[in-house]
Amino acid sequence: AQTVTQSQPEMSVQEAETVTLSCTYDTSESDYYLFWYKQPPSRQMILVIRQEAYKQQNATENRFSVNFQKAAKSFSLKISDSQLGDAAMYFCAYRTSRGYSTLTFGKGTMLLVSP
Amino acid sequence: EAGVAQSPRYKIIEKRQSVAFWCNPISGHATLYWYQQILGQGPKLLIQFQNNGVVDDSQLPKDRFSAERLKGVDSTLKIQPAKLEDSAVYLCASSLISGGTYNEQFFGPGTRLTVL
Repeated sequence: AQTVTQSQPEMSVQEAETVTLSCTYDTSESDYYLFWYKQPPSRQMILVIRQEAYKQQNATENRFSVNFQKAAKSFSLKISDSQLGDAAMYFCAYRTSRGYSTLTFGKGTMLLVSP
Repeated sequence: EAGVAQSPRYKIIEKRQSVAFWCNPISGHATLYWYQQILGQGPKLLIQFQNNGVVDDSQLPKDRFSAERLKGVDSTLKIQPAKLEDSAVYLCASSLISGGTYNEQFFGPGTRLTVL
């Protein structure tokens, strides 16, 4: 079974600074997807960024980028120029590309942003 | 485009009572998911529907939880009888299809259940 581990329960960053959230996963699959989701206090989960395992290039979405290390099974999220609106719970998630698969989530990292 | 709708947003019940949650997915989305998110944890899949058929319910506590998706659109999740450990946020999500091809899951706002 696949597992996703987020070892940082909470991280803090100041506005305009950069922060990196860590995620490791365990799988025997070679083809899969990795995601970072954001869950603000209102609880609606929003997709931040997606990475396909077959792509060597790291995904980037505006201020959000990932460092995907397939051999190490590591998938970190970097948030540049942090904003107050980035404060939320961030979940790393895994999905195999086979069949009717769904998402396996980590326990999350609470990101605090201070002015 | 309207998002995934859920109701109620909050529910407080006594243990051993019954409760039902409702979800209306995004129009045209064939796949619907119910997740349970206990405080301090990530969401855990309870059940996945493809149209009105169950694809995965391996983590659904079938002695007390049930779910249906009549006509392949709306879905209800029921707990009968509720236990204290069922206190959680119940999230509904939908996607166009589920399979080898990636299709983004869109989440609803969730229902926060408190069992006293």
